Amino acid sequence: AQSVSQHNHHVILSEAASLELGCNYSYGGTVNLFWYVQYPGQHLQLLLKYFSGDPLVKGIKGFEAEFIKSKFSFNLRKPSVQWSDTAEYFCAVTQRNNDMRFGAGTRLTVKP
Amino acid sequence: GAGVSQSPSNKVTEKGKDVELRCDPISGHTALYWYRQSLGQGLEFLIYFQGNSAPDKSGLPSDRFSAERTGGSVSTLTIQRTQQEDSAVYLCASSLGFRDTQYFGPGTRLTVL
Repeated sequence: AQSVSQHNHHVILSEAASLELGCNYSYGGTVNLFWYVQYPGQHLQLLLKYFSGDPLVKGIKGFEAEFIKSKFSFNLRKPSVQWSDTAEYFCAVTQRNNDMRFGAGTRLTVKP
Repeated sequence: GAGVSQSPSNKVTEKGKDVELRCDPISGHTALYWYRQSLGQGLEFLIYFQGNSAPDKSGLPSDRFSAERTGGSVSTLTIQRTQQEDSAVYLCASSLGFRDTQYFGPGTRLTVL
């Protein structure tokens, strides 16, 4: 079955630490990939997306993600996290004619 | 326990007709969200309810869209005078509180002919 996996349920980092959140999917064929973030008290917001082209995608707030087709992965990275990055992060995958599937989410806590 | 449920799962309507989409959140969840996913595209935020506070309607694309949440539980999204560009999957999500993980319903696929 098609699925999206986020292996880290809760990540705790200190400010200035580097971040990498894993996302793997099981779809075959062409996919569109997304990372969403939910800050406390807010709705989901798009961080970045990949449709085609350069597999290294840069998003808002210094986030980036790399699409590695051979590994079916789309990991999210940030070189230096801030306290304000504390949030829940969701990876999502969609294919044309299919609904979006979300990973279970990763809660990031950044300690000041 | 039961998750977020939405009805109908599929709705086909004619241009110009009104439609109502229903969301039953997880019992006890105070936050409820509506999103729209157009074919092959990402998720678009529509509206957010939190407890008894005034809803955040900042994502509603036009005044043809409205939503209400009765008794802090069930929510209805209404689209008046539907247009073909309204065709999408409408997703509802709920969370225990404003800091908590959202749980998504299966969605309603709306097709406007």
